[in-house]
Amino acid sequence: AQSVTQPDIHITVSEGASLELRCNYSYGATPYLFWYVQSPGQGLQLLLKYFSGDTLVQGIKGFEAEFKRSQSSFNLRKPSVHWSDAAEYFCAVGVTGTASKLTFGTGTRLQVTL
Amino acid sequence: GAGVSQSPSNKVTEKGKDVELRCDPISGHTALYWYRQSLGQGLEFLIYFQGNSAPDKSGLPSDRFSAERTGGSVSTLTIQRTQQEDSAVYLCASSLMATGPGEQYFGPGTRLTVT
Repeated sequence: AQSVTQPDIHITVSEGASLELRCNYSYGATPYLFWYVQSPGQGLQLLLKYFSGDTLVQGIKGFEAEFKRSQSSFNLRKPSVHWSDAAEYFCAVGVTGTASKLTFGTGTRLQVTL
Repeated sequence: GAGVSQSPSNKVTEKGKDVELRCDPISGHTALYWYRQSLGQGLEFLIYFQGNSAPDKSGLPSDRFSAERTGGSVSTLTIQRTQQEDSAVYLCASSLMATGPGEQYFGPGTRLTVT
């Protein structure tokens, strides 16, 4: 069965600093990969997704992620963080060729200091 | 257009009572998913619908949990004889397609508290 690991439970960065959130997955084939963001009291919003092709994907709000097959990773990056980016971020994997139920990581809570 | 809606947004119930949670997916989305988000367990898949049928119920934690979907639209998640460990946020998502790289759009969730 597939699994997702987000090794950082909590990260604090200063506004304007760069950000990288780590995600590692376990799956035997090429998975579908997603990053979602959840603001307090809100549902999950899709930031970006990887299905195939170019391994560097661009998402909303200035986020990008890079799929590295050799490292089984799909890290999320942003060059310059804004205070409004403070939220919880979830990496998720979907299994190719079947109903796309998602398996989520445990999430990384991002705090932004001014 | 309208997103996924869920009701109620908050539900407090006494242990042993039954509860019903409702999900209204995005119009035209054939696939509907229920997830549970709780402290210590993260986000867990519960059940998935394709149309009105549920090909995958593997995530339902016990036979106290059931779900149905009617008219290929609204879904109801029912929890019978609620227990304190059922306290969580229940999230519903829908997608245009059930197979392949379908994006799932999530509702705001129902926060269930069992006292």
